[in-house]
Amino acid sequence: DGGITQSPKYLFRKEGQNVTLSCEQNLNHDAMYWYRQDPGQGLRLIYYSQIVNDFQKGDIAEGYSVSREKKESFPLTVTSAQKNPTAFYLCASSSIAGVGTDTQYFGPGTRLTVL
Amino acid sequence: SQQGEEDPQALSIQEGENATMNCSYKTSINNLQWYRQNSGRGLVHLILIRSNEREKHSGRLRVTLDTSKKSSSLLITASRAADTASYFCATDTDTGFQKLVFGTGTRLLVSP
Repeated sequence: DGGITQSPKYLFRKEGQNVTLSCEQNLNHDAMYWYRQDPGQGLRLIYYSQIVNDFQKGDIAEGYSVSREKKESFPLTVTSAQKNPTAFYLCASSSIAGVGTDTQYFGPGTRLTVL
Repeated sequence: SQQGEEDPQALSIQEGENATMNCSYKTSINNLQWYRQNSGRGLVHLILIRSNEREKHSGRLRVTLDTSKKSSSLLITASRAADTASYFCATDTDTGFQKLVFGTGTRLLVSP
């Protein structure tokens, strides 16, 4: 998981509340990503950011929001508009922006449960 | 959208045996990567193979890529109990910025 931290590890939310998941990296990577993983499933892209102050929607952005004010930080807010927020959330980063190939490095994840 | 689909969904073997898992994808790619995920943890990169490569090795791992069939396979030789994990393929489509599209994963159980 090295170089990327996510907090908290477990998060419980009541229906109707917004919650923010933290993601910090010290790898000096330009690009950062948020994924959602449901039980027994692959990863689905929520949002990604290539540079500071810029981000794009992924495949399932509805009900989520992000910011990228610093290169090393990419927090994700799960809003009350997200109908099924209970899931495992993974943050990742990579060193390249643009056409090319590179490895993504993942944090340890945050498990969000809506009560 | 999930471009890759792994096969089988689950695989159970004994230590010392080889494990083979397959990945199929739908569109042209720049490269294909394999990742490993231990239960409840983040993903760890294992190996990357570019679209102009056919085979690649890394330790006990061997990856093949057949772009004509849009498929890849991951072979783990001499499996160990510590190899128990889920394995995902991820493709990087040739449409500009590198976004990875992950498959649904193969759950591997290696019994002592």
